[in-house]
Amino acid sequence: QSALTQPPTASGSPGQSVTISCTGTSSDVGGYNYVSWYQQHPGKAPKLMIYAVTKRPSGVPDRFSGSKSDNTASLTVSRLLAEDEADYYCSSYAGSNNPVIFGGGTKLTVV
Amino acid sequence: QLQLQESGPGLVKPSETVSLTCSVSGDSISSSSYYWGWIRQPPGKGLEWIGSIYYSGSTYYNPSLKSRVTISVDTSKNQFSLKLSSVTAADTAVYYCARSIIMTVLSNWGQGTLVTVSS
Repeated sequence: QSALTQPPTASGSPGQSVTISCTGTSSDVGGYNYVSWYQQHPGKAPKLMIYAVTKRPSGVPDRFSGSKSDNTASLTVSRLLAEDEADYYCSSYAGSNNPVIFGGGTKLTVV
Repeated sequence: QLQLQESGPGLVKPSETVSLTCSVSGDSISSSSYYWGWIRQPPGKGLEWIGSIYYSGSTYYNPSLKSRVTISVDTSKNQFSLKLSSVTAADTAVYYCARSIIMTVLSNWGQGTLVTVSS
């Protein structure tokens, strides 16, 4: 499977909302409810923000939310803060032959 | 509190095999129903899943790397390891280890270790 498709960049102002898309196929994003989202600040390890399309791990602010429609998953960050500026990666289950695939990443800038 | 720490050589020559270890503290690899995996990130690029091992010993690999990858567990040391053979410059990356309760949900990550392939 090819990597999932994400826009390279996204931006928003403090207090606004921004949505990042993650497009796959019916063999990955569209076929399973196993989409995850990760936040990565420069020089740091990724951090799980969303799993199973819509679920937030303990400690992740409710400003972060996930959704999915057909073959496209989305991450919405509401009430943007400066600290939300980071790279965001989606991932999905893609079947038993290649269980985990990632998107190319989106650099979110808070301007 | 769960902690994962990668270790290994920072520099490897082309065609050699790189061996990395992830030391786990705060949980037992053998007694928990978790997957233990490896992910890498070339400098300035995105994430790539390498493979995972279930606590029972079952392994799962990225098909693009499968012929060169071995993931194993050492329960006596509470560690799991990655071996990647026949490395080239394209294998230069930060290598992360991670724990997941479902293979796709990488909930806990190590800090990462940079492996550079160069002669």
